[in-house]
Amino acid sequence: DTGVSQDPRHKITKRGQNVTFRCDPISEHNRLYWYRQTLGQGPEFLTYFQNEAQLEKSRLLSDRFSAERPKGSFSTLEIQRTEQGDSAMYLCASSSGQSTTNEKLFFGSGTQLSVL
Amino acid sequence: GNSVTQMEGPVTLSEEAFLTINCTYTATGYPSLFWYVQYPGEGLQLLLKATKADDKGSNKGFEATYRKETTSFHLEKGSVQVSDSAVYFCALRLPFGNEKLTFGTGTRLTIIP
Repeated sequence: DTGVSQDPRHKITKRGQNVTFRCDPISEHNRLYWYRQTLGQGPEFLTYFQNEAQLEKSRLLSDRFSAERPKGSFSTLEIQRTEQGDSAMYLCASSSGQSTTNEKLFFGSGTQLSVL
Repeated sequence: GNSVTQMEGPVTLSEEAFLTINCTYTATGYPSLFWYVQYPGEGLQLLLKATKADDKGSNKGFEATYRKETTSFHLEKGSVQVSDSAVYFCALRLPFGNEKLTFGTGTRLTIIP
């Protein structure tokens, strides 16, 4: 169990550029979540996968955001045409999916995005 | 809508002091309640949870009791240590297969020796 890993740890980009983040969940965890955290706020839910199926998306996830989990293992989060308001910490979490509710989520350390 | 309100921080205490971090919630139905902790440079970790009214979650000397009548889930510890310095987040999750966690804004705790 190596934990949830996210890459890169930091990303600086210019407004209008596209960025992609990667998340590797704990192996054999079939649920994967993306959250966004801005300074001084708690994490906000973005989207959730059960294996490769994206089952829920927040209204926060505009058309410029897309997330995939093609083989039910790692996931990518892409932001197209970045805006300064996209600057935040993007958190990934995973869980085993063995319980219908109240499962423990394991969080990665996040990717800090700065849009200049 | 569903929301979590935490006491404003930051909170600074001396070692061995008693800690309370207040958390209240608004939710439809009967949510499960959680405290997550984020140590410097690390990801969020589940500290404790409670799934129904009057349940008490506990871990590492921390406790919180699910109070339905006051819609609260206050975090307490009798004697804090320097190593407890972190950001603490209260969160809720609605029942019936809802996967979304709703977090409070977090409370930064600093313990001075």
